[in-house]
Amino acid sequence: DAGVIQSPRHEVTEMGQEVTLRCKPISGHNSLFWYRQTMMRGLELLIYFNNNVPIDDSGMPEDRFSAKMPNASFSTLKIQPSEPRDSAVYFCASSPARGLAGSEQFFGPGTRLTVL
Amino acid sequence: KQEVTQIPAALSVPEGENLVLNCSFTDSAIYNLQWFRQDPGKGLTSLLLIQSSQREQTSGRLNASLDKSSGRSTLYIAASQPGDSATYLCAVKGGSEKLVFGKGTKLTVNP
Repeated sequence: DAGVIQSPRHEVTEMGQEVTLRCKPISGHNSLFWYRQTMMRGLELLIYFNNNVPIDDSGMPEDRFSAKMPNASFSTLKIQPSEPRDSAVYFCASSPARGLAGSEQFFGPGTRLTVL
Repeated sequence: KQEVTQIPAALSVPEGENLVLNCSFTDSAIYNLQWFRQDPGKGLTSLLLIQSSQREQTSGRLNASLDKSSGRSTLYIAASQPGDSATYLCAVKGGSEKLVFGKGTKLTVNP
């Protein structure tokens, strides 16, 4: 299995531009998570999906952030308009089952976003 | 609200030393605890997962323990090697799918 795939790996953009991050979870996994990592705040959960349905988006910082999961093999995280304080590494993770205490989360390599 | 703390924030040891990384959490009502490794500029690699009903898990030179009642976990690394240098993160899963992470311990193993 290729693992969780994220694209792009690096993104540099200017303030005010729209940014779209993409994620392909591990095949067969039905939970998907978006995290953000910064030096100040560490790793924070933004939103997670189960069976393509958003379950908890309480970590999404502002209305500028939105996430979709149109099918079991693809998800996007969009920031519109982007701001310099959005600069961070964004990780996608997937997990094989919902509700099972033992399910591990498997992380992608991350997208390093820089907003100038 | 669950909070996870890892101490120390950074640790430097000579090669061959055995070492212990610490993780504490405020709410003992967890389903599991996961230890991850993160190399610079890379994603997270899962090292060990301990269920709430378990006391420890072992993988190679790594041993993780869990004391749920006291809200503590340790990651023991035996015979450390320069290749073990990385940031080690612990994360706990509570009543939902959410993982709450500590800020990590940056380990440097010197040759």
